[in-house]
This record gives sequence, C-alpha cells and structure tokens, in this order.
Amino acid sequence: DQQVKQNSPSLSVQEGRISILNCDYTNSMFDYFLWYKKYPAEGPTFLISISSIKDKNEDGRFTVFLNKSAKHLSLHIVPSQPGDSAVYFCAARSGSRLTFGEGTQLTVNP
Amino acid sequence: EPEVTQTPSHQVTQMGQEVILRCVPISNHLYFYWYRQILGQKVEFLVSFYNNEISEKSEIFDDQFSVERPDGSNFTLKIRSTKLEDSAMYFCASKRPNYNEQFFGPGTRLTVL
Repeated sequence: DQQVKQNSPSLSVQEGRISILNCDYTNSMFDYFLWYKKYPAEGPTFLISISSIKDKNEDGRFTVFLNKSAKHLSLHIVPSQPGDSAVYFCAARSGSRLTFGEGTQLTVNP
Repeated sequence: EPEVTQTPSHQVTQMGQEVILRCVPISNHLYFYWYRQILGQKVEFLVSFYNNEISEKSEIFDDQFSVERPDGSNFTLKIRSTKLEDSAMYFCASKRPNYNEQFFGPGTRLTVL
C-alpha cells in the first residue's frame, strides 16, 4: 500500500531549530490528514490535523501545511525540543479508515 | 485526560487458538476501530464499528476476525484460529461524534507460536 509515503525514515535536528517532516499521498479521495507521534511500546498519540479544504493549521509549536495540487503535506515543529524525539506518522482519511505512512524517526539533539 | 485502554498488553498463543483482544474506548466516543502493525511494517486499518455494526472493513479482516461491543464500555477483537502471520501489535482507537481525530490505545502485542 503506497497511498501514503514518508520518504525520510529519520531526521536529526538541533534543539531550538525547526523540524520539517514530509508526507506524500496519491489518493485524491483523502479528505482529512492527521499527524501522530509515537514512542516505543505506546500507541500513536494525536498531534494535529488538517482538512483537505484548508492549506494550513497551527497549534502552538506545531504547524501542518497541505499542498493539494502536489499531494504533499508537511509538519513543522518550531522550536524543536529533545522531548519531541519520537516516530512521527502522517495519516490520511477516506471513509472511516486512516491510511498511515511508514513513519519518520525524529531525533532532537540538545 | 481520558484514554483508550487495552488488555492484555502482551498475549502469547499457539497457532490455531482463538484470542480475544479487549479495549475500553473513551467514554463519550461512539466510533471504534482496530488497526494492526506487523513488525517493520505500516500501521494498517482492520475495521471500524458504529452503532453496533461494522461500518467498514479492510481486506485483512476476513472471516477469522470478528468485533463486538458486549456491553457499554468494552470493544473486542476476536481472532478465531490464529496464524503465525497474525503476530502483530493491535491498536484500538475511538472517536467522538462530529470530530475527525481518532485516539489510540497503547496496543496489545500478539505473538502466535
């Protein structure tokens, strides 16, 4: 299932800098997009979401951008903190199901 | 803050045995889901459930799988005759009416020997 792809398996940034995580999708029927954060041995924790009719949504240090024409979304975290180190999944909704990307391991170095 | 809970955290079973994975969704949520993640693979949708019936299911969710809401608080996934390839982390999720975000439990690790 290649409908949602996160091409970077890992990303390393310095504390205080911006983290940018990317996600591409192929299915035009997706109407809602979500980012989840996951620590080992825990379930995905919801972070932020965006409807397909919007191009930006912001919540504190987290901003999600959606480019529908490019079928691309990104999550910006600024400033990045060591506690942000985790695996980040993008997910896209069609119907009642979420389709997940592979995940990107973010490491924020002090 | 309310959370989705799942029991057991780890279940080991022999191939061919039946297993029941249990979930307690967040109390005012009415939409329920099961997902799984095989080691090294993506999180995959299995089934969604609303108003005591299945809303949607994936190709993975064959006749070996069933879901039930036996009472006002629990939501269960049953695998009738487990196979080696059913070994995975199983996540339950729930959602409030009129909201889009699904909230996930910590998962049950199922190991089929």
